[in-house]
Amino acid sequence: DVKVTQSSRYLVKRTGEKVFLECVQDMDHENMFWYRQDPGLGLRLIYFSYDVKMKEKGDIPEGYSVSREKKERFSLILESASTNQTSMYLCASSLGSNRDTQYFGPGTRLTVL
Amino acid sequence: SQQGEEDPQALSIQEGENATMNCSYKTSINNLQWYRQNSGRGLVHLILIRSNEREKHSGRLRVTLDTSKKSSSLLITASRAADTASYFCATGQGAQKLVFGQGTRLTINP
Repeated sequence: DVKVTQSSRYLVKRTGEKVFLECVQDMDHENMFWYRQDPGLGLRLIYFSYDVKMKEKGDIPEGYSVSREKKERFSLILESASTNQTSMYLCASSLGSNRDTQYFGPGTRLTVL
Repeated sequence: SQQGEEDPQALSIQEGENATMNCSYKTSINNLQWYRQNSGRGLVHLILIRSNEREKHSGRLRVTLDTSKKSSSLLITASRAADTASYFCATGQGAQKLVFGQGTRLTINP
């Protein structure tokens, strides 16, 4: 059974802290994605990666960076968290192209105080 | 920018009735996918329809695609309380990306 896991379901951080969100998939998928989801705005793509050490900016990359050192792991980094980054963060993976299903993790609800 | 736009934004029906949600998009697509999200959880893939297909079925789900109108619909027949969720359409663009709409919030009343 396919599985995408995220390191935390809920996270509370303070403004200015460095925040790491981890995502791991066990399906040997090439592509991995980070989205944020906010009421009224739907899912917005932050970054994605189509191979180890490769990354592409999505629609809203400002304030975020990513790391993919191993195929199964994709990390989202908030260098200096701000209150406007309070959101639900969703990680997903897919086998190859966008013709394939994306498999999502359970999400991390991040609150920045 | 978001391409898929779902309509309506919210839908409330009685258990046993059929639910229809629509999705419109603006540019050429490779495929269109529908996902479900239960409250506070991740998305789950429901069905994918390719740009050269017009209709697809999966259990109680029926999806249609009209590329001339750049629109798709998702029909859930004989709805159940467990169908209460948000439903998103997503369009395949470029090589890897999917673009998601804002979703339709479906409530099934017992």
